[in-house]
Amino acid sequence: NAGVTQTPKFRVLKTGQSMTLLCAQDMNHEYMYWYRQDPGMGLRLIHYSVGEGTTAKGEVPDGYNVSRLKKQNFLLGLESAAPSQTSVYFCASREWESYEQYFGPGTRLTVT
Amino acid sequence: GQQLNQSPQSMFIQEGEDVSMNCTSSSIFNTWLWYKQDPGEGPVLLIALYKAGELTSNGRLTAQFGITRKDSFLNISASIPSDVGIYFCAGGRFGSRLTFGEGTQLTVNP
Repeated sequence: NAGVTQTPKFRVLKTGQSMTLLCAQDMNHEYMYWYRQDPGMGLRLIHYSVGEGTTAKGEVPDGYNVSRLKKQNFLLGLESAAPSQTSVYFCASREWESYEQYFGPGTRLTVT
Repeated sequence: GQQLNQSPQSMFIQEGEDVSMNCTSSSIFNTWLWYKQDPGEGPVLLIALYKAGELTSNGRLTAQFGITRKDSFLNISASIPSDVGIYFCAGGRFGSRLTFGEGTQLTVNP
């Protein structure tokens, strides 16, 4: 039981490039989340999903898109990366009737 | 935006000392969660609290759900070097997303 996994672990992009971050969970959780973590700003919610085929915006959705084509996977896309998107990105998931979110190990993204 | 005030922002302590940190809010929560984040890793759930006044322990960690439902406390007894990390509180409210505190950075000097 791997829990929540994220790929890649590290990535460096140039301004304007695109990329997709993959989150996978093997706990059969309904809810999945994407957060970004910046120094002094805690965890900020980008997008989330309440089930397969659904997505919704969080606090800071601009510049990102997401898709949940399969229940176990949640993809975060950057269409045209900007230096302001340099951050650590975390995926999390939870069961339908629980508040407890379980996090992945993170993806460290640098945009130059 | 953030609705939780977590304090202190950072702590520098000697090995063996006890640690206390807390989160306060102007809003009521149904659940309080405490996470720990090791350097370079994702947050890991330490303790979950579901009832006002509840006191729950996990080894050397003890957390309490405040009686007013607007605060929570985390205590670490007899700290050790591996307690180093960032501790986050999170409040859960029915029908709403988790709200996270900004974290307490703990440094333990051997």
